[in-house]
Amino acid sequence: EIVLTQSPATLSLSPGERATLSCRASQSVSSYLAWYQQKPGQAPRLLIYDASNRATGIPARFSGSGSGTDFTLTISSLEPEDFAVYYCQQRSNWPRFGPGTKVDIK
Amino acid sequence: QVQLQESGPGLVKPSQTLSLTCTVSGGSISSGGYYWSWIRQHPGKGLEWIGYIYYSGSTYYNPSLKSRVTISVDTSKNQFSLKLSSVTAADTAVYYCARFIVLMKGFDYWGQGTLVTVSS
Repeated sequence: EIVLTQSPATLSLSPGERATLSCRASQSVSSYLAWYQQKPGQAPRLLIYDASNRATGIPARFSGSGSGTDFTLTISSLEPEDFAVYYCQQRSNWPRFGPGTKVDIK
Repeated sequence: QVQLQESGPGLVKPSQTLSLTCTVSGGSISSGGYYWSWIRQHPGKGLEWIGYIYYSGSTYYNPSLKSRVTISVDTSKNQFSLKLSSVTAADTAVYYCARFIVLMKGFDYWGQGTLVTVSS
């Protein structure tokens, strides 16, 4: 089974800074990787699918890259509403999520 | 705009069966290209996929839960349901229903989630 790891566990940044989140798969998932944002008390929201495609309505400051086993979610300039937990998800055999990265305010 | 809404008991006794229903509005559950899914989140933890169903009735389950899970669909009511048997305190979680879009290989619409507590 494919396991996803995310780093760092917590990222402390200030509004306006650039955030770089990593997701690594234990074996290749091709480009079949998605990213989600979850705020407290809310359901996750799909941000990125197929590693680099923004979902409908997602601002351009969110971008995804990578293929195979190494993936990155970049938030170019953090807005106050971007402080949340971010999960990656693969679907090579069955859907599995990474443990998450919390982006909090420094 | 597709909307999903979970319903069901918020408290289940140990060893009993957890039953939840997800009602889909704004779109037909019989539309091809989607799997209708259940995902759970233990308090303060990450996301765990439980399983999903196609409108035709084909099901796929998380191997770690497969022996206890049944997902069914009622296209006439535009609903799908989850049954999880022999529950323990470890099944206490927020349960989400969600739509998995095959084209994107991701979950694009989610319900708000419902907390189910397993306790006597």
